[in-house]
Amino acid sequence: AQSVTQLDSHVSVSEGTPVLLRCNYSSSYSPSLFWYVQHPNKGLQLLLKYTSAATLVKGINGFEAEFKKSETSFHLTKPSAHMSDAAEYFCVVSLFDTGRRALTFGSGTRLQVQP
Amino acid sequence: DAGITQSPRHKVTETGTPVTLRCHQTENHRYMYWYRQDPGHGLRLIHYSYGVKDTDKGEVSDGYSVSRSKTEDFLLTLESATSSQTSVYFCAISEGTGTVDGYTFGSGTRLTVV
Repeated sequence: AQSVTQLDSHVSVSEGTPVLLRCNYSSSYSPSLFWYVQHPNKGLQLLLKYTSAATLVKGINGFEAEFKKSETSFHLTKPSAHMSDAAEYFCVVSLFDTGRRALTFGSGTRLQVQP
Repeated sequence: DAGITQSPRHKVTETGTPVTLRCHQTENHRYMYWYRQDPGHGLRLIHYSYGVKDTDKGEVSDGYSVSRSKTEDFLLTLESATSSQTSVYFCAISEGTGTVDGYTFGSGTRLTVV
């Protein structure tokens, strides 16, 4: 079973409308969770992180995510999309119960923002 | 990204030839990682290191080896490159295991095996 699932490979929104990128994980304990963004032909940049403090996490560029343990979800949201938000977004989780001391990446969601 | 450099940035090589990619950091971080990025797969862990001469395999380690003889350098070697190893390779570093602050990534190396 996949341990990190990004439910949509592509999401398209209009500029000024809300963004929702969905992520579910499976783990035997409460992991650390992250969202990274990758703009075309660029490296990866940390958007936000959850490390067992507040369940609603605010990140850069107006993004936020809510950790819901009961739903094993960590969805990324933004109230109003901007053209510069067009990029690929990765949900990332620490799954050290796999025996590896490394983070596990979801397969990514490509966000398109239409004018 | 500041503090982490990958070289080369681009490389084209022939099937069967050996290739070495280099990751260099100036942050003195203990942990270093190699990931490959392919469409539809996100980033997949190849190998990682938790100290000098301490390395471990990731989920896609077949065909790859690594070495870390000093803190600042983590080398990824493809002993005999195959077309399936055409990919973008990212190096990452973290002070601890990454559970608190995540990773810092390099800019990537685009490798094409022809």
